[in-house]
Amino acid sequence: GAGVSQSPSNKVTEKGKDVELRCDPISGHTALYWYRQSLGQGLEFLIYFQGNSAPDKSGLPSDRFSAERTGGSVSTLTIQRTQQEDSAVYLCASSLDISTDTQYFGPGTRLTVL
Amino acid sequence: QKEVEQNSGPLSVPEGAIASLNCTYSDRGSQSFFWYRQYSGKSPELIMFIYSNGDKEDGRFTAQLNKASQYVSLLIRDSQPSDSATYLCARDGSTLGRLYFGRGTQLTVWP
Repeated sequence: GAGVSQSPSNKVTEKGKDVELRCDPISGHTALYWYRQSLGQGLEFLIYFQGNSAPDKSGLPSDRFSAERTGGSVSTLTIQRTQQEDSAVYLCASSLDISTDTQYFGPGTRLTVL
Repeated sequence: QKEVEQNSGPLSVPEGAIASLNCTYSDRGSQSFFWYRQYSGKSPELIMFIYSNGDKEDGRFTAQLNKASQYVSLLIRDSQPSDSATYLCARDGSTLGRLYFGRGTQLTVWP
C-alpha cells in the first residue's frame, strides 16, 4: 500500500505567519509521530499520537506549536507566528501501534521562514 | 547531555571495504535500537533494528549491541557507492513511542 504522505513538500512563509503541515499515515497505522530536522542536526521529536490522543506533548518547542489528529488518520501540525528558527524539515512517521517500534517516515515538508 | 552519540564522521571507505558505524547511548533503560539510512534530501528509512545483545545480520548489514557498554554499531560489508548516505542511530526511551536520534554519521563509499 501507499506509504506516509506529507503536504506540502515545500513551504516558504514570512516571519509571523501561521503554517499548517499535513501528514497522512500508512493505512491501518494507529500511531503517528512528528519530528523536525534542522540542517546538520539529528531528528528532534515533537509529538506523537496514539489514535487521536497525544499523551506526550513535551517535545513541542513552544506554545506556538500545536498538532491534532482526527479520525485516527490525518494529522496537522500548526505553527503560529512563525520565526526564522522554525525553518527545518518536518518529518512525519507512523507505526502499526504505539507498542511497535518500527516507524516509517514520510518525505517531509521543508519549511523556510523568511 | 546528549541522548545518543554517534561518531561524527564523515566516514570515507573504498568500494568493497567494511564500513563501521558506532553509536553510544546514556539511558540504560533503552531496550530497542535502530539504524536508519538517509540519503541527501530524502527521509530516513529503517535498515536494521536490534533488541538483544549480540549480533544481528541482514544481508550485508550487521548490527551489534552491547547493553553493558551501552554501545551499538552497524557494519556494512562489501560497501557499495549506493551505500553513501547519512546513517542515523536511534533508541527507544521510557516514553512509549518516542525515539531518540543521534545526529548521524555521513558515509561516503568511493569507487
